Formats: sequence, C-alpha cells, structure tokens
Amino acid sequence: AQSVTQLGSHVSVSEGALVLLRCNYSSSVPPYLFWYVQYPNQGLQLLLKYTTGATLVKGINGFEAEFKKSETSFHLTKPSAHMSDAAEYFCAVTLFSNTGNQFYFGTGTSLTVIP
Amino acid sequence: DVKVTQSSRYLVKRTGEKVFLECVQDMDHENMFWYRQDPGLGLRLIYFSYDVKMKEKGDIPEGYSVSREKKERFSLILESASTNQTSMYLCATKGDLTNQPQHFGDGTRLSIL
Repeated sequence: AQSVTQLGSHVSVSEGALVLLRCNYSSSVPPYLFWYVQYPNQGLQLLLKYTTGATLVKGINGFEAEFKKSETSFHLTKPSAHMSDAAEYFCAVTLFSNTGNQFYFGTGTSLTVIP
Repeated sequence: DVKVTQSSRYLVKRTGEKVFLECVQDMDHENMFWYRQDPGLGLRLIYFSYDVKMKEKGDIPEGYSVSREKKERFSLILESASTNQTSMYLCATKGDLTNQPQHFGDGTRLSIL
C-alpha cells in the first residue's frame, strides 16, 4: 500500500518558535515528495519538493524539509514562526507505477501561530 | 509560472440544478484533476484526465461527470446538485513527468441550498 500520513491535524506554536510538521510515507519505490501550503479560501501553493539529489530541500518563506529514506519521513521545518505562517499544510507523494503516475495527499495539518 | 484559473470563487446553487465548474490552464499540461476538500477529510479526487477526451474516475466520482474537449479546459459537472455536494472544489494540472508537482487553482466554494 502507498500512502501519506501527517501526524497531528492541528499544531500550535508561539511566534518565533520552531515549526515542525511531520510527514511519513509508505512506498516500495523511490518517491517524489512535496509540501503545499493553503491559506484560507485559496488553492494549494507549492512550498518545496524533493525529487533527487540533496536530501535537505529549501523552499519558499524560509521553510525546508529533509528526506530521510531510513525513516520514510519528509518533515517540514522553519526555525522561527511568523504570524503569516498560519495556514493548512499538506504533504504529498507521487509515484510511478505500472498504471501510471499516482499522486497521494496527506490529510493536512493546520498550523496556528500564537502571538 | 503556471496559471490555473477556476471560473468562480464562490457559487450558490439550488438542489436539483445542473452545475458547471470550469478550469482553464495555460501550461499545455496533459494531466488535469478535480478534487473536493472538506474539513477533516483532506483532498479527495473526483476525476482526472490525462489527455483530451480521456477521463478516469477518482475516489468519489458518484454524482459528478467531467468534460475535456480541449487540452486547456477541464469541466466538472454536477448532474443534479444535492446539499451534500456543498464543498470547496479545487482544480489542478500537472505535466507528464513523475517528478513534477501539481499546480492548483484558487478553488471554488460551492454552496447548494
């Protein structure tokens, strides 16, 4: 089975604190991994992606994520939270199989930033 | 930059109406998708299309149909709208390479009264 799990549907952090949003995947083949952000009443915007190469990936707005194959994880971090980071975050994985590309989303993590 | 345009940001319709949601992309992408998003359920795939006139059912196709007559346009049709179809609808596009991300429109918030 191939899937994406986001641990914690709601995460709250204080402004200036570390942001850590967790994502684990299950796959029997090498995945391509993505993080998206969704602000209220908007579509999903790509934050960053891992395809090949360096396992630490930097994205927009100061976010980064590290692909850890041994842990099947792709956690999203930001050293210092801003109020503007409050949003919904989605982890996604795409795989190539004999039936074509398969794209899977996690159920999302809502980030609240406390002043 | 990829631009994915959904025809309406907000839409209110009545039960039993036939509803059309339109999505247009400017990147010549082969793949287009329709999702609905509900609190606590994440994104659920309704239909996708990998070429003109081609379509595949997603996880929740019941009560919906789609049309793709031109590469840049993918329409979602609610044949007879019901209140349980009140939701946020998101259109996305993607190129053919496996490592390419999906690109999303701003969504249509549809209310069925």
